[in-house]
Amino acid sequence: DAEITQSPRHKITETGRQVTLACHQTWNHNNMFWYRQDLGHGLRLIHYSYGVQDTNKGEVSDGYSVSRSNTEDLPLTLESAASSQTSVYFCASSDSGFGNEQFFGPGTRLTVL
Amino acid sequence: DQQVKQNSPSLSVQEGRISILNCDYTNSMFDYFLWYKKYPAEGPTFLISISSIKDKNEDGRFTVFLNKSAKHLSLHIVPSQPGDSAVYFCAASAHYGGSQGNLIFGKGTKLSVKP
Repeated sequence: DAEITQSPRHKITETGRQVTLACHQTWNHNNMFWYRQDLGHGLRLIHYSYGVQDTNKGEVSDGYSVSRSNTEDLPLTLESAASSQTSVYFCASSDSGFGNEQFFGPGTRLTVL
Repeated sequence: DQQVKQNSPSLSVQEGRISILNCDYTNSMFDYFLWYKKYPAEGPTFLISISSIKDKNEDGRFTVFLNKSAKHLSLHIVPSQPGDSAVYFCAASAHYGGSQGNLIFGKGTKLSVKP
């Protein structure tokens, strides 16, 4: 069955370190997204990609970067982790076009000490 | 400025009764609306959606109503079951100017269905 996976599921890191969260989907979807979920904020879009070599900034992109070298993967990098980036991160993917829902991964809980 | 608002952080309902979750939006360009359900320690899962050209969509126990003039949508769950206890997110998207319909989410409503 097609799926979307995230790794690691839990990560503890220190302020200033570079961290990369992995996202892999086997749906063959063109679109991929990264969100963070924080209490009182719901889900906020960090970065998104509409296809290979395409990346775009979302609502809360400062301090994050992504790259899309193939259809299946969209890794999220925190260049220099900050305590404000402690959050739960969700990756999602969808087909292109109107009316296609996004499928979400299980999430990565990141703690920055 | 929040474009999608879920003004009730929580809702408690008795098993077997109707649950009504509400959502308001401000952007008149939104043309597609979705509801997601989220259990703790899991990713959100798609529940039901509605296009702006419709005012109602039904799927089993779940019905979504859209009132475009009021910029309001609601999710009805009938009858409610304890397994429906979760956080429900309303989301909206607009498809214009090359956008593939990025989702804007509300803050969520935590539904508790009591046996």
